[in-house]
Amino acid sequence: DTEVTQTPKHLVMGMTNKKSLKCEQHMGHRAMYWYKQKAKKPPELMFVYSYEKLSINESVPSRFSPECPNSSLLNLHLHALQPEDSALYLCASSQAVTSGTEAFFGQGTRLTVV
Amino acid sequence: AQRVTQPEKLLSVFKGAPVELKCNYSYSGSPELFWYVQYSRQRLQLLLRHISRESIKGFTADLNKGETSFHLKKPFAQEEDSAMYYCALSGHNFNKFYFGSGTKLNVKP
Repeated sequence: DTEVTQTPKHLVMGMTNKKSLKCEQHMGHRAMYWYKQKAKKPPELMFVYSYEKLSINESVPSRFSPECPNSSLLNLHLHALQPEDSALYLCASSQAVTSGTEAFFGQGTRLTVV
Repeated sequence: AQRVTQPEKLLSVFKGAPVELKCNYSYSGSPELFWYVQYSRQRLQLLLRHISRESIKGFTADLNKGETSFHLKKPFAQEEDSAMYYCALSGHNFNKFYFGSGTKLNVKP
């Protein structure tokens, strides 16, 4: 299995809602990532997890809360989002956080905040 | 600060023509450079990386440290090459990818 699976594929939420995005990989990768991609823009890194511990937070607002329950799962908890947070959220994984390691990306969750 | 520049938003070529997608970078050190591709309705996937020095689907890319470039080339474009191409840079300690703005390649029949 060489896939990164993200659920749901699409999500519409109100500004007062709480929702979670899920990401799963069974490749034994020990590094997992969340990226945000706005329309016609490149992906931008949000968080990096290494061995289930948060290694990098790219100054992401606290309304985004990542969680790594185990080595195969990565969640992104969403609360009190703004319409400008609407974007494609991509999960990725790699064998390690060592520079130069190939990252495998999921299909993404298209989030719309209304 | 690290930066990846892809000057062309859109590149249209005819089938069989050579294609070159430009990528320039700035980084204070020795970065790892990659090309990622996103076909229509598919996930972002690795095309090639400079450390491998390999040719994938007929594409090659050479890292030119003097010109800080990592241009992607293919001698004869195919229609199935039509996609969004992102040049990406990975820095020292962590596998943080910095993506260029992307170039949409359109190969016409």
